[in-house]
Amino acid sequence: EDQVTQSPEALRLQEGESSSLNCSYTVSGLRGLFWYRQDPGKGPEFLFTLYSAGEEKEKERLKATLTKKESFLHITAPKPEDSATYLCAVQAGRAGNQFYFGTGTSLTVIP
Amino acid sequence: GAGVSQSPRYKVAKRGQDVALRCDPISGHVSLFWYQQALGQGPEFLTYFQNEAQLDKSGLPSDRFFAERPEGSVSTLKIQRTQQEDSAVYLCASSSPVGGGGGEQYFGPGTRLTVT
Repeated sequence: EDQVTQSPEALRLQEGESSSLNCSYTVSGLRGLFWYRQDPGKGPEFLFTLYSAGEEKEKERLKATLTKKESFLHITAPKPEDSATYLCAVQAGRAGNQFYFGTGTSLTVIP
Repeated sequence: GAGVSQSPRYKVAKRGQDVALRCDPISGHVSLFWYQQALGQGPEFLTYFQNEAQLDKSGLPSDRFFAERPEGSVSTLKIQRTQQEDSAVYLCASSSPVGGGGGEQYFGPGTRLTVT
């Protein structure tokens, strides 16, 4: 069964305290892995797409990496404005139109 | 703005009423997706359109749910005879790849449906 698991469910960091969020997946025919940020009351906002193991993408304080079984979202020296829920999604299936989301990691960065 | 818009943003329905939720995707985006997001959960796939064709509706939870995109742009998700378990945020997303679903999706703000 295709599945996406994110950990931890919630994470509290002091401002400047770096950490990583995990997304592990079991899908057949992975077409891509996506990271999104979701603020309360809003739709998910696209961050990164990763297509193959070993790939890395960076944007400001965020870096996403991908292996054959999991992806990490590394947050370096976070700021309070990085507080949000971070969602991981995988694109799978022969037609590539099946998207499976994890339940997200709720990140709180304390000033 | 050029983003995905959804209306209404909030909808309260009495159990048994029918509701219609609208999505305006980004202009020119071929692919359109509907998701259901329960509180504290990730979005769950409902259905997928490529232009006006509904290519996958495997995520629709029951035959009370119906979606259409007649002209390949605006889409409507209709829920008949709403039940309390239908209460959730309904998200619409669009993406641009021609010839197939996928690629990065751009989400609307969602419609929060509350069934009383």
